[in-house]
Amino acid sequence: GQNIDQPTEMTATEGAIVQINCTYQTSGFNGLFWYQQHAGEAPTFLSYNVLDGLEEKGRFSSFLSRSKGYSYLLLKELQMKDSASYLCAVRDRDRDDKIIFGKGTRLHILP
Amino acid sequence: NAGVTQTPKFRVLKTGQSMTLLCAQDMNHEYMYWYRQDPGMGLRLIHYSVGEGTTAKGEVPDGYNVSRLKKQNFLLGLESAAPSQTSVYFCASSYPSEGDLYHTIYFGEGSWLTVV
Repeated sequence: GQNIDQPTEMTATEGAIVQINCTYQTSGFNGLFWYQQHAGEAPTFLSYNVLDGLEEKGRFSSFLSRSKGYSYLLLKELQMKDSASYLCAVRDRDRDDKIIFGKGTRLHILP
Repeated sequence: NAGVTQTPKFRVLKTGQSMTLLCAQDMNHEYMYWYRQDPGMGLRLIHYSVGEGTTAKGEVPDGYNVSRLKKQNFLLGLESAAPSQTSVYFCASSYPSEGDLYHTIYFGEGSWLTVV
């Protein structure tokens, strides 16, 4: 089956950098997503990695190592509005390309 | 552009009642999904569909049924609601395509269901 692990909670300071890790086990890896979800709202797309390496998009970057089953989301210059849950999700080509989510990491930003 | 629309947004049910959640997307997506989200459990896949007329079970399908009679609609049914089905339900859709790295999935705004 699939197994996706990420820390439950993290705390960081405004203006700092934080890295949220995600490890996964899946038989037919076909891409990894990161989503942001504010309380009471729907998840919104942040990044997608299917090849090894770093994808940078403004203050957010996402890294993937397929051989290690590992990804991280890097958030720079943290702002109070970055307080949210960050969801790691994996697509599995051996299972109809369906997308399975980890339990999410709740990030708290301190002033 | 409406994207993914879910109805109703809020509903309170009595144990044993039935109801249907409707999801509609206007992006011509092939794939549609129903997830539930509970505190500490993240998003769990209930059922999904890879195209009109097809459905398949996800991680937590028990107590739910789905139908995809039209490509744009994906219905989630609760035949006999139980308090354990109190949750937030999210519908999502996506369109996997070769050569398109951004197989983004788009979410509806969520439906808050309480079973008493």
